Amino acid sequence: AQSVTQLGSHVSVSEGALVLLRCNYSSSVPPYLFWYVQYPNQGLQLLLKYTSAATLVKGINGFEAEFKKSETSFHLTKPSAHMSDAAEYFCAVSASRMNRDDKIIFGKGTRLHILP
Amino acid sequence: GAGVSQSPSNKVTEKGKDVELRCDPISGHTALYWYRQSLGQGLEFLIYFQGNSAPDKSGLPSDRFSAERTGGSVSTLTIQRTQQEDSAVYLCASSKHNEQFFGPGTRLTVL
Repeated sequence: AQSVTQLGSHVSVSEGALVLLRCNYSSSVPPYLFWYVQYPNQGLQLLLKYTSAATLVKGINGFEAEFKKSETSFHLTKPSAHMSDAAEYFCAVSASRMNRDDKIIFGKGTRLHILP
Repeated sequence: GAGVSQSPSNKVTEKGKDVELRCDPISGHTALYWYRQSLGQGLEFLIYFQGNSAPDKSGLPSDRFSAERTGGSVSTLTIQRTQQEDSAVYLCASSKHNEQFFGPGTRLTVL
């Protein structure tokens, strides 16, 4: 079974500061891991995904995440926050399966606030 | 190209009535997912389909909820005898190669 824990339902950072959103996962099999973003009044879109290739994954809008098996973590970072980054961010996990997509389980989300 | 579409976009119903929510996935996507999003609750997994079969129905909250998928394409989520706690945004997604594409959702309000 898979599960995801996102630490902090709300995170506030100053514009230009480092963004760090924390995600820890639990999986009984090697996982695939994802970060999704939901801007206000918009649908969810994929930021980045880890599918057992490089452990440091780069996504859209300057975000990246590092898969750390020893820590069962997949934290999301961005070196310098922009006002436009204000949104809700969801971490998600699925089991890695050959030849088919599996069930994807989402965390409860972290709302990112950017302070001017 | 066309993305995932859902209908209706909004549905207001009275407690005790049945509702049907529809999802049209992206053509060629074999996996289809239903989630429920409530304020502060994140995305709650309901059910997913591989083709027309549902390997995992564990997220359906009660036997009032059911879903089907026909022709490996369109899916319908049915909620019978709706309750006020069913009010939420119901999201559908389809995927290929482990990348999910989400629809805009159906906002269900049960009065």
